[in-house]
Amino acid sequence: QQQVKQSPQSLIVQKGGISIINCAYENTAFDYFPWYQQFPGKGPALLIAIRPDVSEKKEGRFTISFNKSAKQFSLHIMDSQPGDSATYFCAARGRGSNYKLTFGKGTLLTVNP
Amino acid sequence: GAGVSQSPRYKVAKRGQDVALRCDPISGHVSLFWYQQALGQGPEFLTYFQNEAQLDKSGLPSDRFFAERPEGSVSTLKIQRTQQEDSAVYLCASSSGPNNEQFFGPGTRLTVL
Repeated sequence: QQQVKQSPQSLIVQKGGISIINCAYENTAFDYFPWYQQFPGKGPALLIAIRPDVSEKKEGRFTISFNKSAKQFSLHIMDSQPGDSATYFCAARGRGSNYKLTFGKGTLLTVNP
Repeated sequence: GAGVSQSPRYKVAKRGQDVALRCDPISGHVSLFWYQQALGQGPEFLTYFQNEAQLDKSGLPSDRFFAERPEGSVSTLKIQRTQQEDSAVYLCASSSGPNNEQFFGPGTRLTVL
């Protein structure tokens, strides 16, 4: 059972465009939703995270939109740059002592110059 | 060190061999996690330590997998009698607490022939 579903599997965007990646979750016990960025040969690195008490969080060019009733959240990358080309993973974690991260399958983003 | 380190970075094993993968967490981090990342997939939780105590091993796929962290710092993931389906990147992450940001190492890519 895949608890976090991510789409699209891959995405090609022109430089300066907006990249949008979507995730949906099933477990209502999740209360922390991070996005990770992974470059080839590297481990995932935290990009931005949100908790369900807010509907949007923005950090620089990266924005998370969160829809609690629909159990969906998305990552928007504004003014996408070739250096943003990487694999992006959404994840979720339960409240309290449920510390394990549950990841989506990832989105390979390619930003063309 | 500045980040989580893992060794070896690459390991090739013949089917049936035992392997040991090492993780050096960020100094002072009490929480340590192991994840398995199959090709083209998101990381999947294997096990969690708080200091030297293994509090959750629910993600270990079989009894051939064993992890330890005897002194609450360095951790070793051991896989006995490796099988081809064990081929994956094994990621280690550490955090200052179970619900704090997890910092990932670069991973060990295991290939079982």
